[in-house]
Amino acid sequence: NAGVTQTPKFQVLKTGQSMTLQCAQDMNHEYMSWYRQDPGMGLRLIHYSVGAGITDQGEVPNGYNVSRSTTEDFPLRLLSAAPSQTSVYFCASGLGRGTYNEQFFGPGTRLTVL
Amino acid sequence: GESVGLHLPTLSVQEGDNSIINCAYSNSASDYFIWYKQESGKGPQFIIDIRSNMDKRQGQRVTVLLNKTVKHLSLQIAATQPGDSAVYFCASVRSSGDKLTFGTGTRLAVRP
Repeated sequence: NAGVTQTPKFQVLKTGQSMTLQCAQDMNHEYMSWYRQDPGMGLRLIHYSVGAGITDQGEVPNGYNVSRSTTEDFPLRLLSAAPSQTSVYFCASGLGRGTYNEQFFGPGTRLTVL
Repeated sequence: GESVGLHLPTLSVQEGDNSIINCAYSNSASDYFIWYKQESGKGPQFIIDIRSNMDKRQGQRVTVLLNKTVKHLSLQIAATQPGDSAVYFCASVRSSGDKLTFGTGTRLAVRP
């Protein structure tokens, strides 16, 4: 199994540009989530999904959109990038099902917005 | 609100010594506490977790202690090795869900 994969690894955007960060998992996990990590801070939850067709907001959702059309994929969209969105983004997945299970993280995408 | 924080931002230890990384939490409703290791340029990697009804749990070279009275948990690493150099995060979650709340992280530096 590849686990959780993320693309791209690095991305530079100009303010106002849009892009999609890709996340995929091959473990048939129902739960998937996106976090951002800023210097000196822990990971903060952006959006999450408990299954295909179901998404919800986390702690810092503004400026980001998500959708979950399949179990495997959970893309994160930035519609109009801002310098405040410069960060490292991590995708994670877990069994879910309404109970605590170990979560697995992808390698991250480092995004810079100029 | 729920928050998880760490006492020290950096910790430097001699190779072979034991390391202790501390974490405080504020939400007594958390059911699980998890320690993650994050190496440079990589995503967080699960180390060990502990349920709130436990005081201690041991893994390979690692032990997590939970003190619910003072809302404190710690990660002990025995015989610290250069490969242990990383940032360590504690996180908490309720058993009814998967939303993790992370602390700010402690960087562990191992001196040869």
